[in-house]
Amino acid sequence: DVLMTQTPVSLPVSLGGQVSISCRSSQSLVHSDGNTYLHWYLQKPGQSPQLLIYRVSNRFSGVPDRFSGSGSGTDFTLKISRVEPEDLGVYYCLQSTHFPDTFGAGTKLELK
Amino acid sequence: EVQLVETGGGLVRPGSSLKLSCATSGFTFSNTWMNWVRQAPGKGLEWVALIKDKYSNYEANYAESVKGRFTISRDDSKSRVYLQMNTLRDQDTATYYCTLNYPGITFAYWGQGTLVTVSS
Repeated sequence: DVLMTQTPVSLPVSLGGQVSISCRSSQSLVHSDGNTYLHWYLQKPGQSPQLLIYRVSNRFSGVPDRFSGSGSGTDFTLKISRVEPEDLGVYYCLQSTHFPDTFGAGTKLELK
Repeated sequence: EVQLVETGGGLVRPGSSLKLSCATSGFTFSNTWMNWVRQAPGKGLEWVALIKDKYSNYEANYAESVKGRFTISRDDSKSRVYLQMNTLRDQDTATYYCTLNYPGITFAYWGQGTLVTVSS
C-alpha cells in the first residue's frame, strides 16, 4: 500500500496566521490517466470529515479561498491563510491513485 | 442537498454479525460509486469498501483487513448502500462512515457515521 506521511503531527497557530501542512507519498501519485489523485480533508471536533481540496489544488464546493493546495509527484502541501476558529481540527491527506486508497495519519491544527 | 444517513451500529460480541445501512438523497445514486470508511476511537481514517455503479457491473473492492468478512451492496431502487459485517473482531470497533465518489473526486460527501463496538 502507498504510505502517506503527514507533517507535522500537531500545528499550533494564532488566529489570522498562516500555516502549511506537508503530505508525502511513498510513490508517485501521478495516475496513468495523467491526473494526480491527492485530496485533503478536515475533521472538525465531533464531526465527520469534509472534503476541502481534490486532485491537489481544486477547492471543493463552498471551501473558502483561504485554503490552497499544491504539489506534484510525491510531495504535496496544504496552505491555510488567515486562520479562523472554524479551521481548527484534524487535517488528512488521501491518495486514490493507487489501490487501496490510503490516508495520512493526520495533522491537528490547534490554537497556540 | 446531499444527505447520507448511516444506521445499524451497536454493541456486539466478537464473532457476531451486523449490517449497516446508509440512506441517501440529493444526488443521482444509481450512477454514483459508494464507499464505507471507518475510524477507530481516537485514530485516523481507513477505507473499508467500495461499490461501483451498474455501468461498472457493481464491482466491489475491499481493504485486506475486511476481505472475506465484509460485503458491500447497494439497492439503487432505494438509494441505499449496505455493509454486511461478519465474524467481527475487537479491531473492527470504529465509527463507520458512508461516503460517495464523484468522477475524479474521492469521498466528496460523508454521513454522520454509526458506531460499531465489538467487545465481549
